[in-house]
Amino acid sequence: GQQLNQSPQSMFIQEGEDVSMNCTSSSIFNTWLWYKQDPGEGPVLLIALYKAGELTSNGRLTAQFGITRKDSFLNISASIPSDVGIYFCAGQRTSGGTSYGKLTFGQGTILTVHP
Amino acid sequence: DAGVIQSPRHEVTEMGQEVTLRCKPISGHDYLFWYRQTMMRGLELLIYFNNNVPIDDSGMPEDRFSAKMPNASFSTLKIQPSEPRDSAVYFCASSFVGRIYNEQFFGPGTRLTVL
Repeated sequence: GQQLNQSPQSMFIQEGEDVSMNCTSSSIFNTWLWYKQDPGEGPVLLIALYKAGELTSNGRLTAQFGITRKDSFLNISASIPSDVGIYFCAGQRTSGGTSYGKLTFGQGTILTVHP
Repeated sequence: DAGVIQSPRHEVTEMGQEVTLRCKPISGHDYLFWYRQTMMRGLELLIYFNNNVPIDDSGMPEDRFSAKMPNASFSTLKIQPSEPRDSAVYFCASSFVGRIYNEQFFGPGTRLTVL
């Protein structure tokens, strides 16, 4: 079945450092999404990308939709302790202006930030 | 709105028992999703509904799993009989069609332990 390869699997960084993670797919997606999951909670949407080549920022977060539509990356600048959590990429296909319901998720990147 | 509501938050049961997980989606949302999250397999889509109708149940592991959505404000995921390998966190999510992307809002999850 469809799979997204997300890397790295985990990261241990010092507060203030920048972070980068990415997702690749063997198939094309029309939309890329990045979610964050805090311990004991469900994933929460951080950024959504709709067009190939699009670069979108949300505060200290920046994400890009790869030009081939088969990949995306997420950067976090100047990390802080509350950035700790699991980050997931997700891809979605759309057709005829309507979004299909189904998302395909990556395996997640576990981020640990040391004060 | 209170967000997606799931109950119970934690469930401990013995092998062979029936388990029922419950979900109340966000009012007005017409998609509902059930996911399972484990360390080994990550976040897996089990089944999703559109307007209370099951659209894709290809992720349901086997016949022991069943899901229903009798109305727009309630869904259940049932496991009968339960097995230790069913231990996982089960998430319910909902979304609204018509947006250009499908932002799924996740509930807090039900942590299931089967002894």
